[in-house]
Amino acid sequence: QIQLVQSGPELKKPGESVKISCKASGYTFTDYAMHWVKQAPGKGLKWMGWINTYTGKPTYADDFKGRFVFSLEASASTANLQISNLKNEDTATYFCARSSLIAAFAYWGQGTLVTVSS
Amino acid sequence: DIQMTQSPSLLSASVGDRVTLNCKASQNIYKNLAWYQQKLGEAPKLLIYNANSLQTGIPSRFSGSGSGTDFTLTISSLQPEDVATYFCQQYYSGSTFGAGTKLELK
Repeated sequence: QIQLVQSGPELKKPGESVKISCKASGYTFTDYAMHWVKQAPGKGLKWMGWINTYTGKPTYADDFKGRFVFSLEASASTANLQISNLKNEDTATYFCARSSLIAAFAYWGQGTLVTVSS
Repeated sequence: DIQMTQSPSLLSASVGDRVTLNCKASQNIYKNLAWYQQKLGEAPKLLIYNANSLQTGIPSRFSGSGSGTDFTLTISSLQPEDVATYFCQQYYSGSTFGAGTKLELK
């Protein structure tokens, strides 16, 4: 069956970096886009952008340009999110989600909690 | 950027009630709208896509309607397991989520 399995929770200090992984299984990885969604504690969902898993081209939402990098390990059917120069406001659960082009997100990872605290 | 506005932000209803949640887009998004259910500590679950198509495995008491800028999610007979927060999402241009409607039992 189709699964997206994310890496475990992270505790980081301000200024550090973090890399979250999302391993896909049960389908052809390069046939579907991968999106990243942020959810701060007690808040709503914020779309961060997506990566074309066929070409590797990332597209970032306006609020996530600069410190955020989407990447792939296509041979391992894995998408990654790296956040550099972490700030307290980056504390959130980050989800990966799969979609066809111009389509809803039918499959989601379980989420990865990143806590930024000194 | 396309903004999505959901109403109400909090809704209290009784088991068996017909419940209606609203979502308004800041510009025409045609039918490029989805609804998700999120329970505490879980990932969102897709309920409705393309404004009115029921995702496989979702109970038929959930239905969606609308096009253009105004959309509705209806639960025909509220069940205890439907207590959750519901988000709408546009995917016409990039993607944007509404702020959510928290549904609780009266």
